[in-house]
Amino acid sequence: KQEVTQIPAALSVPEGENLVLNCSFTDSAIYNLQWFRQDPGKGLTSLLLIQSSQREQTSGRLNASLDKSSGRSTLYIAASQPGDSATYLCAVEDGNMLTFGGGTRLMVKP
Amino acid sequence: GAGVSQTPSNKVTEKGKYVELRCDPISGHTALYWYRQSLGQGPEFLIYFQGTGAADDSGLPNDRFFAVRPEGSVSTLKIQRTERGDSAVYLCASSLIGTGTDTQYFGPGTRLTVL
Repeated sequence: KQEVTQIPAALSVPEGENLVLNCSFTDSAIYNLQWFRQDPGKGLTSLLLIQSSQREQTSGRLNASLDKSSGRSTLYIAASQPGDSATYLCAVEDGNMLTFGGGTRLMVKP
Repeated sequence: GAGVSQTPSNKVTEKGKYVELRCDPISGHTALYWYRQSLGQGPEFLIYFQGTGAADDSGLPNDRFFAVRPEGSVSTLKIQRTERGDSAVYLCASSLIGTGTDTQYFGPGTRLTVL
């Protein structure tokens, strides 16, 4: 059974810092990996999707990498802003479903 | 519609009652998914529809949970004899094809509270 782990569970940084969120998964037979953002009381917003054949994806200040063989992904956020404060979830697609990690709660202080 | 919509946004019920949660996917999306998210955790898969049929219902926790998608668009998640442990946010998502290569778009969720 696929298991997804995210480290750290919570992170607090001052505005302007570059930061890295980590995600690991146990079964490398995946179709893709997605990073989502979730604001309190809200649904999930897809940030980046990396297909299994790809190594990374970039969108603005966000860059996600995927190392399928080692079962790892990182989300890099450059020049963090208070508006980046949210929970970040990674999820792997292994056929018919997404399997999610527990999330990293990010707080960016002004 | 412009995005995935779910109704109601909040539902409070008493233990033992029956509830229905509705999901309207993005128009034209053939794949529809239900997930459940408990407080402080990531969402957990419940069921996946491809068109009108349930392609994978392995995440449904027990036979009190059932979902339908009779016309291949709107889906209803039905919970019988609700228990306090069913309290969670129920999320619906849809994707264009559902082959594992396209993005799942999520609705805002229905927060279910069982008293």
